[in-house]
Amino acid sequence: QVQLVESGGGVVQPGRSLRLSCAASGFTFSGYGMHWVRQAPGKGLEWVAVISYDGSNKYYADSVKGRFTISRDNSKNTLYLQINSLRVEDTAVYYCAKGIYGGNSPFDYWGQGTLVTVSS
Amino acid sequence: QSALTQPASVSGSPGQSITISCTGTSSDVGGYNYVSWYQQHPGKAPKLMIFDVSKRPSGVSNRFSGSKSGNTASLTISGLQAEDEADYYCSSYTTSSTWVFGGGTKVTVL
Repeated sequence: QVQLVESGGGVVQPGRSLRLSCAASGFTFSGYGMHWVRQAPGKGLEWVAVISYDGSNKYYADSVKGRFTISRDNSKNTLYLQINSLRVEDTAVYYCAKGIYGGNSPFDYWGQGTLVTVSS
Repeated sequence: QSALTQPASVSGSPGQSITISCTGTSSDVGGYNYVSWYQQHPGKAPKLMIFDVSKRPSGVSNRFSGSKSGNTASLTISGLQAEDEADYYCSSYTTSSTWVFGGGTKVTVL
């Protein structure tokens, strides 16, 4: 069965960097696009970024463009999100989600999320 | 990338049908048949209920159905059950090759 496990969250000071990971199993990771979605405490879902199955195409929400970088290592079945210059407003649960198809497609399976708290 | 517009809350009695709307623009909902709906129970990860406007993933009850007219998509839950009480989010692909969510709708079963 599809399993997505995020890690790397924690309490971080504003301005610092963090790298989130998402370990995938139960499907052919290299065949699907992957997304990051975040949810601030008590708020709605916010789409963050997507990467195509081979890493050749990446798209970002305007709110994170220039500070966030999505990447993947298909040999390790792992998705990453590098977050630089962290801001208080980046505080959220970050979910990775699997695309339904290989390219930029809707997301079907989600991980349980990892909490990032930005605070001094 | 403005969020799609959903009603903050919708309620219904067990057995009734309810419909949640999701309004966007011709740059997202109206321009593509890539509208999805997600159910989220408190403290849990979202679950895909409908994709590509009206397709149901395997395992999702046929009480859930989706449709679209112009810039507005809709999710209908028929035969409302207590377990349907949750937050529901719509999502759409956009002309910028990005994705956008609605603000979410809290469904209450009376």
